[in-house]
Amino acid sequence: AQKVTQAQTEISVVEKEDVTLDCVYETRDTTYYLFWYKQPPSGELVFLIRRNSFDEQNEISGRYSWNFQKSTSSFNFTITASQVVDSAVYFCALKTSYDKVIFGPGTSLSVIP
Amino acid sequence: EAGVTQFPSHSVIEKGQTVTLRCDPISGHDNLYWYRRVMGKEIKFLLHFVKESKQDESGMPNNRFLAERTGGTYSTLKVQPAELEDSGVYFCASSEMRGAWREQYFGPGTRLTVT
Repeated sequence: AQKVTQAQTEISVVEKEDVTLDCVYETRDTTYYLFWYKQPPSGELVFLIRRNSFDEQNEISGRYSWNFQKSTSSFNFTITASQVVDSAVYFCALKTSYDKVIFGPGTSLSVIP
Repeated sequence: EAGVTQFPSHSVIEKGQTVTLRCDPISGHDNLYWYRRVMGKEIKFLLHFVKESKQDESGMPNNRFLAERTGGTYSTLKVQPAELEDSGVYFCASSEMRGAWREQYFGPGTRLTVT
């Protein structure tokens, strides 16, 4: 079975704090993709990153960084020096050889000025 | 190259009315998918077209929802009659036929509000 778990339903931080959003996935496939999307209050889905199962190299993009660990089936997302504009719902997602994208339940992040 | 487009961006209707959402995939993409996020819950798969054929409609919630893709180009998703619990954001995605992983490109979504 394919499943994505985001244990944190809501997180609230003060601006400039660092915050890590957790994602744990389940799949029996050996080849898969993992994604993070951001859904701001305006509603659209903003693609942030894609990782394939063979690439465990961590990635940094500006204030964003991702830590992919196959040993723990985790793909965590860290925002450094958070800003009010980071307030959104963040979704972790999994795609295997099947066509459906399986989304996690989302983590609602509020950054307080 | 234009991305996936969806129309309207926002629709407000009363319970019992009908609404039709439209999705235009990226040109040349044979695969088209509908997803939705309702009531603050997770984003869930609704159905998948390959050209004009329904490949997988296991996520369609009930028979009030009708999806079509005549001619294998754009797709419509009709909700008739709409209920309060249908409120949410409806996303469309498309992907090419070629390639094992067929990456899905998402549209901006249609926000549906049923009052």
